[in-house]
Amino acid sequence: NAGVMQNPRHLVRRRGQEARLRCSPMKGHSHVYWYRQLPEEGLKFMVYLQKENIIDESGMPKERFSAEFPKEGPSILRIQQVVRGDSAAYFCASSPPVGQFHEQYFGPGTRLTVT
Amino acid sequence: GESVGLHLPTLSVQEGDNSIINCAYSNSASDYFIWYKQESGKGPQFIIDIRSNMDKRQGQRVTVLLNKTVKHLSLQIAATQPGDSAVYFCAENPSSGYNKLIFGAGTRLAVHP
Repeated sequence: NAGVMQNPRHLVRRRGQEARLRCSPMKGHSHVYWYRQLPEEGLKFMVYLQKENIIDESGMPKERFSAEFPKEGPSILRIQQVVRGDSAAYFCASSPPVGQFHEQYFGPGTRLTVT
Repeated sequence: GESVGLHLPTLSVQEGDNSIINCAYSNSASDYFIWYKQESGKGPQFIIDIRSNMDKRQGQRVTVLLNKTVKHLSLQIAATQPGDSAVYFCAENPSSGYNKLIFGAGTRLAVHP
């Protein structure tokens, strides 16, 4: 039973380019969460999605960031026109669709470096 | 590998000793708490969880204590081993109806032989 998969593991982008981060949840999980971790900090919630729905995007920057979780395929976190401040580790987590008291299973993360 | 939290508070213990990692949470309405372990270059790994209707829960070599009066959470690790060296985060669910976790700043545990 594969865990949460994220790719790429490392991504280098120049300022102004686009970054696409992919997350495949655990089998049977339909809830996906994205978090960002800056150096020396804990994880910060960005967005919570279910299949084809954004439930809570209160942690997403208003501009340049978007997320989707289509009916088929992985969840995508998209960052347009990246800036150096976007350099961070981005983690995806998934949980089963049965209530709120369930641990979230995290992927290995994508480490984005903006040069 | 990549270091996480270069300036995080650090707890240094001898191998075989017990470790206690503390966490103060922010929201008195939070009803679910999780401890995660994060090794360098990896994602957070679930250790143990506790609901707000409990004040103690035990796992294998780990115990979580919850004090709602002072909004304090602790993780106790018995007979600490070198493999326990990592950064530990507490996370709270502020009762939003789904699992939107708020993470603490983290504590680095360094186990010395």
